[in-house]
Amino acid sequence: GQNIDQPTEMTATEGAIVQINCTYQTSGFNGLFWYQQHAGEAPTFLSYNVLDGLEEKGRFSSFLSRSKGYSYLLLKELQMKDSASYLCAAMDSNYQLIWGAGTKLIIKP
Amino acid sequence: TAGITQAPTSQILAAGRSMTLRCTQDMRHNAMYWYRQDLGLGLRLIHYSNTAGTTGKGEVPDGYSVSRANTDDFPLTLASAVPSQTSVYFCASSDGENNEQFFGPGTRLTVL
Repeated sequence: GQNIDQPTEMTATEGAIVQINCTYQTSGFNGLFWYQQHAGEAPTFLSYNVLDGLEEKGRFSSFLSRSKGYSYLLLKELQMKDSASYLCAAMDSNYQLIWGAGTKLIIKP
Repeated sequence: TAGITQAPTSQILAAGRSMTLRCTQDMRHNAMYWYRQDLGLGLRLIHYSNTAGTTGKGEVPDGYSVSRANTDDFPLTLASAVPSQTSVYFCASSDGENNEQFFGPGTRLTVL
């Protein structure tokens, strides 16, 4: 079957770095997406990886290893506004997104 | 630019009643999607449309129907609501199969 695993909740300190891991199993693979979702709001796009390696975009970076079925989202210089859920989603061979349940990130001052 | 709009924002519906959730986008995206989001679960795809005039079933299509008469609108209909359809419903669109999806603000539906 198709499955996405990511931690349910993580806590980090303002100004620090946090890494949110995601493992995936899909029928075929057409890329890995990360979205941010603040409470009560819609998900918003953060990153897309289809090739192995690290993609950096400001304070956020995303890494993909296709052979391991593994990705992570790295958030640097954490700010209080980064408190949100982070959703990992893998695109299968039918170009449909399979979503994880999300990782709730709590930032403490 | 409005992006994607959904209506209503929230609704309480009696079991057995029908309802249509509206979704409109102004980005001229070809692909549109309906998801439901339940606590502790990932977003689950209900129906999708790759282009106007075509629709397809997602992971959880039972009890829902969609239409795509034009590029901008993608309504979702519950013919006879049941309590298990209580959820937050998100509409999304994208301009390509493996491009990012843009989400509407969601409709919070409670079926009693």
